[in-house]
Amino acid sequence: AQSVTQPDIHITVSEGASLELRCNYSYGATPYLFWYVQSPGQGLQLLLKYFSGDTLVQGIKGFEAEFKRSQSSFNLRKPSVHWSDAAEYFCAVADLNQAGTALIFGKGTTLSVSS
Amino acid sequence: GAGVSQSPRYKVAKRGQDVALRCDPISGHVSLFWYQQALGQGPEFLTYFQNEAQLDKSGLPSDRFFAERPEGSVSTLKIQRTQQEDSAVYLCASSLAAPGGEQYFGPGTRLTVT
Repeated sequence: AQSVTQPDIHITVSEGASLELRCNYSYGATPYLFWYVQSPGQGLQLLLKYFSGDTLVQGIKGFEAEFKRSQSSFNLRKPSVHWSDAAEYFCAVADLNQAGTALIFGKGTTLSVSS
Repeated sequence: GAGVSQSPRYKVAKRGQDVALRCDPISGHVSLFWYQQALGQGPEFLTYFQNEAQLDKSGLPSDRFFAERPEGSVSTLKIQRTQQEDSAVYLCASSLAAPGGEQYFGPGTRLTVT
């Protein structure tokens, strides 16, 4: 069955430092991959997505992610973290076998930013 | 334009009560999804509509959960005889099309069953 693993439950990064959030997926074919961010009391906001083509994907708010098929990974990166980036981050894969392409989410990584 | 809206934002129900959660998708969005997000977990798929047709309800945890979208726009998720394990945030998302269409999420309804 398709699944998404986010190995890090909680990460703390100093403001201005670089960030990498890990995501590994299990999927039989080429997946559709997503990163979402969720701030307290807010809905999920799409940061970026990968469907095909260039394996380095640029998103909003200065985020990028790289699809590595050999490692079944889709890690999220940002070169310089801002205090406003503190939130919950979810990696997701679209289940193309399911009508409507429901998303399968990881359990999330909580990002804290220290000053 | 307006995003996905959900009401109520918070709902407290006593065990055994029935609840109804509403989702207003973005106008013109064909696809509508419901997800359940337990505390400390990622969202989990419940059900999917394409227009008024419920094409997938494989994620509904029990027959106490029922969803409808009678006119292909607003959707209601109903939970009968609520149990404590139903406590979660219920998220609604809509998209223009599938597969792979970007899903836009509402703020969610936080249901607490006491």
